[in-house]
Amino acid sequence: QKEVEQNSGPLSVPEGAIASLNCTYSDRVSQSFFWYRQYSGKSPELIMSIYSNGDKEDGRFTAQLNKASQYVSLLIRDSQPSDSATYLCAVNIMGGSQGNLIFGKGTKLSVKP
Amino acid sequence: GAGVSQSPSNKVTEKGKDVELRCDPISGHTALYWYRQSLGQGLEFLIYFQGNSAPDKSGLPSDRFSAERTGGSVSTLTIQRTQQEDSAVYLCAISGWGNYGYTFGSGTRLTVV
Repeated sequence: QKEVEQNSGPLSVPEGAIASLNCTYSDRVSQSFFWYRQYSGKSPELIMSIYSNGDKEDGRFTAQLNKASQYVSLLIRDSQPSDSATYLCAVNIMGGSQGNLIFGKGTKLSVKP
Repeated sequence: GAGVSQSPSNKVTEKGKDVELRCDPISGHTALYWYRQSLGQGLEFLIYFQGNSAPDKSGLPSDRFSAERTGGSVSTLTIQRTQQEDSAVYLCAISGWGNYGYTFGSGTRLTVV
């Protein structure tokens, strides 16, 4: 069974620090990777996508992908209290059931002022 | 989210009653998904529709749950004889051509009393 694993947290960081969120996946042929942010009581919102090995930066967010090790991470620089949310990792799967993406259960991030 | 409208936003129903949840996506999507999220939990896949293919119903928890998509667009999730354990947020998501992730609606919060 294809899986996406995340540490459930909570991950607590002080304001201004770097938050590092990690995700591992089991399907070696996955090609597309996504990070969603979900505020309490809201629906998931796509914040980053990455398709190639290496880093992809977007403002304070950096996604990192290592296909050989089958992990993808999200770094949040200069963390703000408004970044406090649950972050879901999603990985595309080829030819599987349940659609094209498998979601991790999410890591809850808390940024303390 | 933009592009996917769900109604109602909140629904309180008595145990044993039937409920219908609606998802109205923008045109041009290729696939439509239903997920369930219980309080503090991850996304639970229910069903997805892609093109004219038979829907993947592998996530439906019981035969009380059914869904249809009319005209390749609007989808309705029906829960018959609701139970208290059906209380959750029901999320609809869509995807388009290519691996660009899903866009989620704002969800329907279902409470069975």
